[in-house]
Amino acid sequence: GENVEQHPSTLSVQEGDSAVIKCTYSDSASNYFPWYKQELGKGPQLIIDIRSNVGEKKDQRIAVTLNKTAKHFSLHITETQPEDSAVYFCAATGTDSWGKLQFGAGTQVVVTP
Amino acid sequence: EPEVTQTPSHQVTQMGQEVILRCVPISNHLYFYWYRQILGQKVEFLVSFYNNEISEKSEIFDDQFSVERPDGSNFTLKIRSTKLEDSAMYFCASSEWGGGRRDTQYFGPGTRLTVL
Repeated sequence: GENVEQHPSTLSVQEGDSAVIKCTYSDSASNYFPWYKQELGKGPQLIIDIRSNVGEKKDQRIAVTLNKTAKHFSLHITETQPEDSAVYFCAATGTDSWGKLQFGAGTQVVVTP
Repeated sequence: EPEVTQTPSHQVTQMGQEVILRCVPISNHLYFYWYRQILGQKVEFLVSFYNNEISEKSEIFDDQFSVERPDGSNFTLKIRSTKLEDSAMYFCASSEWGGGRRDTQYFGPGTRLTVL
């Protein structure tokens, strides 16, 4: 089955700097890669996703890149703000699955003013 | 904006007791899911549900677990005889589509289950 590895486990950045979180996946058949943000005491909230037919997607300060050959994808947050502080999860799922998301272990992002 | 809701937010139970966790998915969604997150660990898939049937389940989802859509709005997860290791945050999610067409899953706020 699919296995998703996520790094780093914690990331501390100064406000205004960029943050990058990287994930690798094992199943070459996976074709959908969402990123979720989880604030304390809340459920995961989708922030951006990418499908395997594109290499990059951007939404304001957030971007995701996908390298299918290397089987890795990354989340980029630019101009970080204190409200970006949260746990971020990557996930993957493939065509052989009825929507089963395989999650990474999460990255605790702390943005310091 | 439509959202997935879950009740209760926190459930405390004694080992061996049955619990039912409730979810109201987004109204036009057709696919429903349960995930769990043990404190400090990954979010883990439990089960997906479509057209009143389980589509897929993980090895965690054994005979002690069951899911049901008792009416047009609710989606429930039942644990028949809880164990200490069932203590976790349980998340319900729903998507408009699923299966062969990957689609966005929207998560509820979760139910924290504590088994004593």
